Amino acid sequence: KAGVTQTPRYLIKTRGQQVTLSCSPISGHRSVSWYQQTPGQGLQFLFEYFSETQRNKGNFPGRFSGRQFSNSRSEMNVSTLELGDSALYLCASSWTSSSTDTQYFGPGTRLTVL
Amino acid sequence: GQQVMQIPQYQHVQEGEDFTTYCNSSTTLSNIQWYKQRPGGHPVFLIQLVKSGEVKKQKRLTFQFGEAKKNSSLHITATQTTDVGTYFCAGVDSNYQLIWGAGTKLIIKP
Repeated sequence: KAGVTQTPRYLIKTRGQQVTLSCSPISGHRSVSWYQQTPGQGLQFLFEYFSETQRNKGNFPGRFSGRQFSNSRSEMNVSTLELGDSALYLCASSWTSSSTDTQYFGPGTRLTVL
Repeated sequence: GQQVMQIPQYQHVQEGEDFTTYCNSSTTLSNIQWYKQRPGGHPVFLIQLVKSGEVKKQKRLTFQFGEAKKNSSLHITATQTTDVGTYFCAGVDSNYQLIWGAGTKLIIKP
């Protein structure tokens, strides 16, 4: 079974631009969560989608948004990029939106904002 | 908001020495999960603990969940170079939210 895939793997943008990242979950998984990882900050939860509905949201500004499609694929968008948005963005999929479900992570998209 | 504190942030050990990382919550957790992230990789699920006082072993790794379900530990016996990485705990709080620890980076000294 194919794992979680994320595209693109690397991205360089400049301040003020916007970016869209994509995540394809494991087949059959209906929940997708997004995380931001920066050195020394661990994993910061962005949001979770289940059956095309946002179930949970972390403490990030409104510039960060996401959506999920009927095939469970998810996208996240960051508008008006700032230097501090440079990070590894990870998505994780699970069967359900239960917090006890194992999270299967993708390889991440490394975003650099210049 | 609720936090899961994980210590230490870094630990340097000689190969063959033991390693332990601890997670502590101010509130009761319904369960706790452990993940490992290799350098340049992504977090990979290791184990989930659910019961008070639960102890689980995976080869050289021993996981414990405290009696009060507020703390947990991961102990690695006789570390090997393959153990290098960052170990994260993630606890489920009373609101069924998954709260992540900041991770402990295991560094093996040459």
